[in-house]
Amino acid sequence: DTEVTQTPKHLVMGMTNKKSLKCEQHMGHRAMYWYKQKAKKPPELMFVYSYEKLSINESVPSRFSPECPNSSLLNLHLHALQPEDSALYLCASSPRPEIGYTFGSGTRLTVV
Amino acid sequence: TQLLEQSPQFLSIQEGENLTVYCNSSSVFSSLQWYRQEPGEGPVLLVTVVTGGEVKKLKRLTFQFGDARKDSSLHITAAQPGDTGLYLCAGGAFGNEKLTFGTGTRLTIIP
Repeated sequence: DTEVTQTPKHLVMGMTNKKSLKCEQHMGHRAMYWYKQKAKKPPELMFVYSYEKLSINESVPSRFSPECPNSSLLNLHLHALQPEDSALYLCASSPRPEIGYTFGSGTRLTVV
Repeated sequence: TQLLEQSPQFLSIQEGENLTVYCNSSSVFSSLQWYRQEPGEGPVLLVTVVTGGEVKKLKRLTFQFGDARKDSSLHITAAQPGDTGLYLCAGGAFGNEKLTFGTGTRLTIIP
C-alpha cells in the first residue's frame, strides 16, 4: 500500500459545527503532516507529527485541533471555523522529509 | 527564513514545445524535490535530487540540482496536455521536519 487516504473528499460545514478530517497511511512512515492550501498557492504547513508526537505547530488557531491516535492515523478536528478557513486540506506522510512526501488527495472544505 | 522562488509563475505553451521551469534560493538545501499537482488533487512527487550537479531524467522530464545546491530546474521536452498542472519545488534539510515549498509554476499545455 503506497497511498495516503483522506476522508471525506468534500466537506461543507457551518461556523458552529464540529467536524473531523481523517488521514490514513500504511507505509510505516514515521512522520505525518497537515497542510492547508488556498487556491493557486503552495501548501502551507499546519502541523507535523513525528513518531505519533506533535513536533511542529505552525501557530495554527485553536479551532484546528490535530490528533494522532496511532502511527497510521491522523485526524484534524474542526470547531467554530470561519469562512476564510475554506481551503484544500492535505495530509502527507514521509519516512524522512528530505526524501519526499506522499500526499493524500485532500479534503475540500467549505465553511458557510 | 528560507525562500524558494519559482519562475515563471505562469506558462502557457503549445503541445510539442519545450520548456524550463526554475527554482531559486539563497539558501542551501540537502535535497530538492519536484511535485506536480492537478486541480482538486494532492501534489505527486516526481523526483528528489540530493547531490549538487545531479541530473535525473524521467521520460520527457529532466531535473537538475545546482552545483551549490541552492537552485534547480525542470525541463520538459515535447510538452503534452497531460503535463498541465501546478509544479512545485520543495527544499529539504537533514534533521529538519519541514520542507520549504516554492511559489509554484502553473503550466498549461494547449493541444
